[in-house]
Parts: sequence; structure tokens; C-alpha cells
Amino acid sequence: GENVEQHPSTLSVQEGDSAVIKCTYSDSASNYFPWYKQELGKGPQLIIDIRSNVGEKKDQRIAVTLNKTAKHFSLHITETQPEDSAVYFCAATSNTGNQFYFGTGTSLTVIP
Amino acid sequence: GAVVSQHPSWVICKSGTSVKIECRSLDFQATTMFWYRQFPKQSLMLMATSNEGSKATYEQGVEKDKFLINHASLTLSTLTVTSAHPEDSSFYICSARSLAGSYNEQFFGPGTRLTVL
Repeated sequence: GENVEQHPSTLSVQEGDSAVIKCTYSDSASNYFPWYKQELGKGPQLIIDIRSNVGEKKDQRIAVTLNKTAKHFSLHITETQPEDSAVYFCAATSNTGNQFYFGTGTSLTVIP
Repeated sequence: GAVVSQHPSWVICKSGTSVKIECRSLDFQATTMFWYRQFPKQSLMLMATSNEGSKATYEQGVEKDKFLINHASLTLSTLTVTSAHPEDSSFYICSARSLAGSYNEQFFGPGTRLTVL
């Protein structure tokens, strides 16, 4: 089955700096890669996703890149703000399967 | 759009009792709902997949007689933790896949914190 690895597990950045979180996956059949933000005591919220037919997607300060050949995808947050502090999870899945395979999470702290 | 609710948001119960958690898709119909549990500072672990009108599919190691799942309609799935014990204390999260939307997207509920004394 699919194996998703996520790095780093913790990340601290100064407000205004950029943050990058990286994930790798093992199953070449995976074709959908969402990123979720989870605040303490709440459920995960989808912040951005990318499908395997594109290499990059951007939504304001958030962008995701995908390298299908290397089987890795990354989340980029620019101009970080304290409210960006949360745990971020990447995931991978294919359209032939129901299951989402989640990374182990990255705890992001933005220091004011 | 794509809002999923859970009820209750938290529950405390005595060991040996049963607890029911509801998951509702508020503004869309969900063919499939998923139940996860999450321990502190860990990732989400899929427990089971439920499809409307059929039996749930449980992940390896999850006791189907202990975690009863019912998906009676396209907007409601319930998880009942039977004879709960302290080790069942966890954060339970459901998600739902839209009937009309993308075949991949899952929308998550806010979670239910279960504490078993």
C-alpha cells in the first residue's frame, strides 16, 4: 500500500518568513494530494490540493508543488502570520481507492 | 459549502458504558463516510469506511463489534463505542465524500473528544 512520509515534524519560523513542508509517497498510482490544517482540538481543514496532472497550484499565500517523477510534493506558505500556527498534514490517494494515506504531521509555529 | 458536523463535540463516560457519535453532512449528500481516531500529537488513523445502506469496512486491528458504524442515510453516519474503556479515550473524527463533488475530496468534521473514566 501507499506510504507517505512528511518532514519536518516541527517547524518554527519568524512572522513574515516562508515555511516549507515536504512529503514523499510511494505508490505511483496516487493522483490526488491534499493538504490539511488542524488547529488544536479541531478537525482537519482542507487548505489546498493538487492533482497529478499539474505541477503547481497557488492560492494567495499558499502554494503546493508536485514532482511525480520523484514522488514528492511540498507545501509552501509565504509571509507567515501567527494564525498560520497549527499542525499540517499531507495526504495521498488514488481514484481507485477510498483511503487517504496521511503523513505524520508538521507542527508549525509562527513567532510574532 | 461542504460542511460536516459531529455531535457531541466532547463526551465523558464511565467505563463499561456505550457512547454514540453522530456525523452529518449538512449541505451535501455523502456516499461514503470515514471514521478516524487520533491520539495526541499523532496523525489520523482510519478506523473504518462506511457506505450508505451497506456494512462498514473496518481496517485491520479495529474491532467491528466494539466500534459499531451505521450509515443509514446519505447525510448521517454514527459510530457507537460499545463497552468503552479508558484506552478508548481519543479524538474521533469523521469525514465525508460528496456524491456530487470530486471523487477524491474528503471533508472533515470538527471531531469528538471521548474521555472514558
